Amino acid sequence: DAGVIQSPRHEVTEMGQEVTLRCKPISGHDYLFWYRQTMMRGLELLIYFNNNVPIDDSGMPEDRFSAKMPNASFSTLKIQPSEPRDSAVYFCASRANVGNTIYFGEGSWLTVV
Amino acid sequence: AQRVTQPEKLLSVFKGAPVELKCNYSYSGSPELFWYVQYSRQRLQLLLRHISRESIKGFTADLNKGETSFHLKKPFAQEEDSAMYYCALDTNAGKSTFGDGTTLTVKP
Repeated sequence: DAGVIQSPRHEVTEMGQEVTLRCKPISGHDYLFWYRQTMMRGLELLIYFNNNVPIDDSGMPEDRFSAKMPNASFSTLKIQPSEPRDSAVYFCASRANVGNTIYFGEGSWLTVV
Repeated sequence: AQRVTQPEKLLSVFKGAPVELKCNYSYSGSPELFWYVQYSRQRLQLLLRHISRESIKGFTADLNKGETSFHLKKPFAQEEDSAMYYCALDTNAGKSTFGDGTTLTVKP
């Protein structure tokens, strides 16, 4: 398996634009996580899914953020409209079951100017 | 609610010195605890998990339920250990919460 695949790897966008980050989890994994990493706040859990169903989205900063998982092999994280403070590395990760290792993607480096 | 605390954002030691990265947690259930490592500009990867009770790259971590701690230790640090280290907790519901991370620098 190629591991968790994220796209784009890097994105620079202007404030106010819509940003869509994509993730393909490892096949067979039931859990999918979206994390945001910044120097100030470390690694924050934004939302996680179990069997494509959102379980906990309490970490989503505000209504500008939304995440979907239409099927077991694809998820999106959308920011609309984007703001400079959204600049961060966004990681997608997946896991087979509770208590198993979480596998991370390489991250999407977002810069909003 | 569960919480993971890593009190040190930065830790610097000399090569060959012992190193301990602290992790404390709060969770009312039975925790599953992990340490993940992120080398420069790479993805996070698992370093070790408490139920395995194994030593990876010379690192060990013992779960102390009385002190609610899961500190990561290595007796002799190497320069290649320089990285960011995250402590993580899994709840029974499957939620994985990470600490803020500790950046370890091992100086020659």
